[in-house]
Amino acid sequence: DAGVIQSPRHEVTEMGQEVTLRCKPISGHNSLFWYRQTMMRGLELLIYFNNNVPIDDSGMPEDRFSAKMPNASFSTLKIQPSEPRDSAVYFCASRWDTADTQYFGPGTRLTVL
Amino acid sequence: AQKVTQAQTEISVVEKEDVTLDCVYETRDTTYYLFWYKQPPSGELVFLIRRNSFDEQNEISGRYSWNFQKSTSSFNFTITASQVVDSAVYFCALSEQNTDKLIFGTGTRLQVFP
Repeated sequence: DAGVIQSPRHEVTEMGQEVTLRCKPISGHNSLFWYRQTMMRGLELLIYFNNNVPIDDSGMPEDRFSAKMPNASFSTLKIQPSEPRDSAVYFCASRWDTADTQYFGPGTRLTVL
Repeated sequence: AQKVTQAQTEISVVEKEDVTLDCVYETRDTTYYLFWYKQPPSGELVFLIRRNSFDEQNEISGRYSWNFQKSTSSFNFTITASQVVDSAVYFCALSEQNTDKLIFGTGTRLQVFP
């Protein structure tokens, strides 16, 4: 089975531009998570979905960040407008059921100039 | 509140040495789950093990072994006869029953020198 798929793997953009990160969870998994990893703050949970419904977005830094999950096999994380402090590695993870193991995608390394 | 502490920020060893990575957790739940993930230099997060709070048996997988002790709230990870390919950042994580959140420690960077 394919693992969690993320695209793009690397993104370099200029401040003020819109950035869209994409994630395809493992087929059959009911939960999807978006994390951000930085040197300063480590791994932070941004938002997660159960059965395509956003459950907790308290980790989303501010209104510039938004996430959607239009169906069970696709999710996006959008930053508009992007800022240099958004530079980080963004991970998507999926899980079959509560307390089950979360499997991570390869991550998207975002650089905002 | 949930908390995971990995007090060792960085460990350096020479190949073939054994090394133990410490993990101490805090939780008020009686049912919880503990995890270890590996993050090699390539950046991905690789799942290594999941252990539930009712299973205190130690586990061994090849050169990897895990020691779970509820009495000390610890879930330590030992690599026997370390190899250069073991060089990575290792994260310990905790999830409580009926919660969707995975709480990570700050990670331990392991460097294995030839």
